[in-house]
Amino acid sequence: DVVLTQTPVSLSVTLGDQASISCRSSQSLEYSDGYTYLEWYLQKPGQSPQLLIYEVSNRFSGVPDRFIGSGSGTDFTLKISRVEPEDLGVYYCFQATHDPYTFGAGTKLELK
Amino acid sequence: QVQLKETGPDLVQLTQTLSITCTVSGFSLTTYNVHWVRQPPGKGLEWMGAMWNGGGTDYNSAFKSRLSISRDTSKSQVFLKMNSLQTDDTAKYFCARQRYNSPFDYWGQGVMVTVSS
Repeated sequence: DVVLTQTPVSLSVTLGDQASISCRSSQSLEYSDGYTYLEWYLQKPGQSPQLLIYEVSNRFSGVPDRFIGSGSGTDFTLKISRVEPEDLGVYYCFQATHDPYTFGAGTKLELK
Repeated sequence: QVQLKETGPDLVQLTQTLSITCTVSGFSLTTYNVHWVRQPPGKGLEWMGAMWNGGGTDYNSAFKSRLSISRDTSKSQVFLKMNSLQTDDTAKYFCARQRYNSPFDYWGQGVMVTVSS
């Protein structure tokens, strides 16, 4: 199975700071069709996960442009510029290239 | 309006079978896939399996032969059944919608199931 390693496990930030989360895959996530099915989800406390980014760098409808996804192959990053209170929660990377689909262990973004 | 809602028991006895229903509205099960994801208390997310829009299924091998996913398109429902439950199956179970090769864009609220000895 593909292992997604997220770092850091937790991230303490001041509002307005930039935050960066890494997701490294044990295998390339480029599919045979040329697309890379790497997604980012945010789970706020007590809520279901919500989609932020798909295919590495595409923001889902309504997601602010301060969320930026990048990367290729096995190495991916989610950057959040100017962290706001509603950005706090646990971020998960997820791959849908290889079966079984797998999630990273999560990165908790909290206030310093 | 797209909605997914999971319903199921709060408590299941050790070694028994779990049955959860995901009732959807606002879209067709013949157009969208529905996936199951679970989350043990205080832990991360785990993909369990999927019901494809064409009627086929896919399962995470971690669940071996314990897991079964089915549907009733006339009722807009997808069913999860898992047998031989153990205490580490205690989790919140979510269903989520996906269009072909697209991400999970809508999720249900989840149903918390406790396996009790």
